[in-house]
Amino acid sequence: NAGVTQTPKFQVLKTGQSMTLQCAQDMNHEYMSWYRQDPGMGLRLIHYSVGAGITDQGEVPNGYNVSRSTTEDFPLRLLSAAPSQTSVYFCASSYVGDRSGYTFGSGTRLTVV
Amino acid sequence: KQEVTQIPAALSVPEGENLVLNCSFTDSAIYNLQWFRQDPGKGLTSLLLIQSSQREQTSGRLNASLDKSSGRSTLYIAASQPGDSATYLCAVKWNFNKFYFGSGTKLNVKP
Repeated sequence: NAGVTQTPKFQVLKTGQSMTLQCAQDMNHEYMSWYRQDPGMGLRLIHYSVGAGITDQGEVPNGYNVSRSTTEDFPLRLLSAAPSQTSVYFCASSYVGDRSGYTFGSGTRLTVV
Repeated sequence: KQEVTQIPAALSVPEGENLVLNCSFTDSAIYNLQWFRQDPGKGLTSLLLIQSSQREQTSGRLNASLDKSSGRSTLYIAASQPGDSATYLCAVKWNFNKFYFGSGTKLNVKP
């Protein structure tokens, strides 16, 4: 089925470890983004991209890196995990433009101990 | 500052009731507005997308309205069912690409 695929679904990391959350879409969407969702904080934008080779920061970018080498993939890297990064991470994509809506992935639940 | 507010934060109704969820936003110059449903531990499922030029959108028992001048959108759910229990999120697009989210309304429909 067409859509946004996130892997892994669950992950436990130790403080200081690094990892990459994967996001792939097969809808030829130019725009891709990463959100984190925390209780009482809602959805907060981490990074986004409007096309291959173009990325920009959202509200809470510190501690995260992204790159966009292809239209389909937008990985999120945690270089040195901290307990404050325990959260549920969602990837979302859309066509660029004023009329398009978001399609979300099913999320990655990350726990940093 | 562009903000999206959803009130109430939680709502509990008996099965069969018609209900309205509210979303308000601070700047009327929006591109579009999207309603999502989120089940516990799951991702966000798009319900309805309303363009700035539209007044309402319908899908089955769901009807979403948009009043830009007052900065409000409502999601109407007819004949509610226990399966409608979920958190409903409103998202507004002001920027060409970026959506701003409300904090959601958690709905519980009691059998």
